[in-house]
Amino acid sequence: DTEVTQTPKHLVMGMTNKKSLKCEQHMGHRAMYWYKQKAKKPPELMFVYSYEKLSINESVPSRFSPECPNSSLLNLHLHALQPEDSALYLCASSHPAGRGIEAFFGQGTRLTVV
Amino acid sequence: AQTVTQSQPEMSVQEAETVTLSCTYDTSESDYYLFWYKQPPSRQMILVIRQEAYKQQNATENRFSVNFQKAAKSFSLKISDSQLGDAAMYFCAYANFGNEKLTFGTGTRLTIIP
Repeated sequence: DTEVTQTPKHLVMGMTNKKSLKCEQHMGHRAMYWYKQKAKKPPELMFVYSYEKLSINESVPSRFSPECPNSSLLNLHLHALQPEDSALYLCASSHPAGRGIEAFFGQGTRLTVV
Repeated sequence: AQTVTQSQPEMSVQEAETVTLSCTYDTSESDYYLFWYKQPPSRQMILVIRQEAYKQQNATENRFSVNFQKAAKSFSLKISDSQLGDAAMYFCAYANFGNEKLTFGTGTRLTIIP
């Protein structure tokens, strides 16, 4: 199984809502990532979890809160988002650094903040 | 900090012909990885090919091959016998050995002309 599964595929939320994005992989990868991608731009790294511990936080606003409950799951909790947070959110997984770190990506969640 | 530059925002090629996408990068590291990812309209980022910097031999995957010039810090992708399914945005990406962070170029949109 070489899939990274993200749910939901589309999400529309108001600025006062709380929602969560979910990501799951069963490839035995111990590094998981959240990326944000605006239209016609490359993905921008938000967070990296390595062995279920947050290893990289790219100065992301606190209205984005990541969580890694176990080695297969990664969540991104959203609260009080702004319209400029509307984007494609991509989850990825890989072996941890030093073991051939090609990342496998999910299909993304298209988030619209209204 | 590492940077990745893709100087061709858009490219087009006739079906069955060969096309080369350019990528240059800047780093002071000696051990690193380079990748080409493809992102079709379905949004999922798909790994096309990977190159380890310590390997002198250029990587190949079926119709896809790279020209890795370490001294020149150049990493181009050649697609042979182009097919309609190759139409996508192509991102060049860099990662240091020992660090999970991927740095992406700005992408090249490839159009296949039937």
